[in-house]
Amino acid sequence: DAGVTQSPTHLIKTRGQQVTLRCSPKSGHDTVSWYQQALGQGPQFIFQYYEEEERQRGNFPDRFSGHQFPNYSSELNVNALLLGDSALYLCASSSKLATGTDTQYFGPGTRLTVL
Amino acid sequence: AQKITQTQPGMFVQEKEAVTLDCTYDTSDPSYGLFWYKQPSSGEMIFLIYQGSYDQQNATEGRYSLNFQKARKSANLVISASQLGDSAMYFCAMNDGGFKTIFGAGTRLFVKA
Repeated sequence: DAGVTQSPTHLIKTRGQQVTLRCSPKSGHDTVSWYQQALGQGPQFIFQYYEEEERQRGNFPDRFSGHQFPNYSSELNVNALLLGDSALYLCASSSKLATGTDTQYFGPGTRLTVL
Repeated sequence: AQKITQTQPGMFVQEKEAVTLDCTYDTSDPSYGLFWYKQPSSGEMIFLIYQGSYDQQNATEGRYSLNFQKARKSANLVISASQLGDSAMYFCAMNDGGFKTIFGAGTRLFVKA
């Protein structure tokens, strides 16, 4: 049973560029959430996708956008990158219908460095 | 507003001993879930244990147990028989039935041989 996968593992970009991160959920999961984890801090919720729609968003600017595909995989896009966007980006999948709880399972993350 | 507080930035424990990592939470919603995750240096968040607010019994998963004290809004993680591989960051998290899970600042656990 494949867990949550993310690509790429590492990414280096320069200020002002745009980046796309990808996530495939755990088998049987239909909900994908994205988190930003700065060094030394806990993950911060960016947004959650369900049925191809963003259904809640955290305190992040519009430069952060996302998409969910019919196969439940998801993308996180960040435009006009800032130095402060350097972080570990974590994708998590869940399915309350399947598991009865909101337990999220995380992927290995994408480490983004903005120079 | 939802809040998770982990007051121990770092903890040391001797191998084979038990350790308790503290977590307090705040929510006005009567229905919520509490989670603990382990994050090794590799970065991946590993789910350890879940406790629902209406669960009568404390959750247990192998060497992990959750000491749930609802009136005190406390959800401490107990790791029994610590192993060197338990050295990692540990995060307490909560979901109050919405779509967002919030995390504490984490506790770094060091297991000494």
